[in-house]
Parts: sequence; structure tokens; C-alpha cells
Amino acid sequence: KNEVEQSPQNLTAQEGEFITINCSYSVGISALHWLQQHPGGGIVSLFMLSSGKKKHGRLIATINIQEKHSSLHITASHPRDSAVYICAATMDSNYQLIWGAGTKLIIKP
Amino acid sequence: SAVISQKPSRDICQRGTSLTIQCQVDSQVTMMFWYRQQPGQSLTLIATANQGSEATYESGFVIDKFPISRPNLTFSTLTVSNMSPEDSSIYLCGGGGADYGYTFGSGTRLTVV
Repeated sequence: KNEVEQSPQNLTAQEGEFITINCSYSVGISALHWLQQHPGGGIVSLFMLSSGKKKHGRLIATINIQEKHSSLHITASHPRDSAVYICAATMDSNYQLIWGAGTKLIIKP
Repeated sequence: SAVISQKPSRDICQRGTSLTIQCQVDSQVTMMFWYRQQPGQSLTLIATANQGSEATYESGFVIDKFPISRPNLTFSTLTVSNMSPEDSSIYLCGGGGADYGYTFGSGTRLTVV
């Protein structure tokens, strides 16, 4: 069983829809990261969370430490949001990231 | 947050040759990492690049195949040696730390023919 699990694996939605991607983890972590990977491979860090909720533009990330669960929401989705979204956890014991498998999001116009 | 410049962005290489990928960070970072993403797979950590000493490799990766340098806190290289088609992947560097987050290079898409 992976220590960081994401769902869904693939998600296709229409422009304007509210998007939710979920991430659960089974180990003690010091932070949870949400990242965006575009088709060329480059990765952009969207959020780093250790508690509560963060918002940046149309993106919202939440984390529930007790339930070991985090969600990434996209409001008013747009085709340019199409990418792979990855959650990754920083373990308590070291700086390394444990990566989820990613969610491939396609937003259709 | 720091910005990482990674190059080349892509390359097509002949089998048996080697390719060196460079990552330059615009500020000093505690940790630098090298990842591989094979087609359809998630990112896998190759090694942690240590400043001034040998890199720490993950299981399944060896220095002879993936030599890494990190001469200072802002620069690192990964070499993919004696390449075969199985080495065709995206290679990604990352840097940062648990306290202030991570930043990543733009990735290198390697195709070995």
C-alpha cells in the first residue's frame, strides 16, 4: 500500500465545474504539498500545508491532520487547468518527499 | 521561493552515450534531489545531492549509472551514463527544505534511441 494515495486517478470535467482532488496518507508528516505538472514535465509547487486551509486565486487546499487527508479544489475550472496534480508528503523524519501517483485532470471547453 | 533553472529541457541521445543535466538555483537551498519519471509512472527519487560529498542513492540506483555532483548550495548535475532506451524518462531536480517548501526545475525529457 502506498503511503500517499490520490483519487481520482483521472478526471475529465467541463469548463466551469468545481473540481476536487483527494489525497490521503498513512504516515506522520510535517507538511503536505500540492504540485502541478504540465505535459512537458516541469513541476510547479502550488501549496505547502501543515494545517487548515490555503487559497490562491481559484485554487484552495485543505488538510485534516486527524483524518490524514487533504483536498485540492479548483473553482470555475478552465481548460488551462488541465495538468497532472500531485500530492506529496514530507515525512517527520527527513526532508524527502513521498509522492502520490498523480491525478490527470482534463478540462473541456 | 527559490527558482531552479534546469537544462537541457529535452534531448534525444544515442544508446551508449551519456548526458549531463544541470540545475542552477537562484538562492542557496538546504537540499537538492534528483527524480526520474518513467512513462506513465509517478516520480521516483534517484538520490539526494549532498554539498561537497557523495550523493545518497535510493535502492535501485547506483553512482556508476547516475553520477551526481553538488559543488555548492546552488548547483547540481546528474549524469545518465551509458544510456539505453530504458533510460528514456523525464528527469527532474528539486530543491528546498521541509521548513520553507520545495521548488522544482522544469524537467528534462530524455529519449534514448
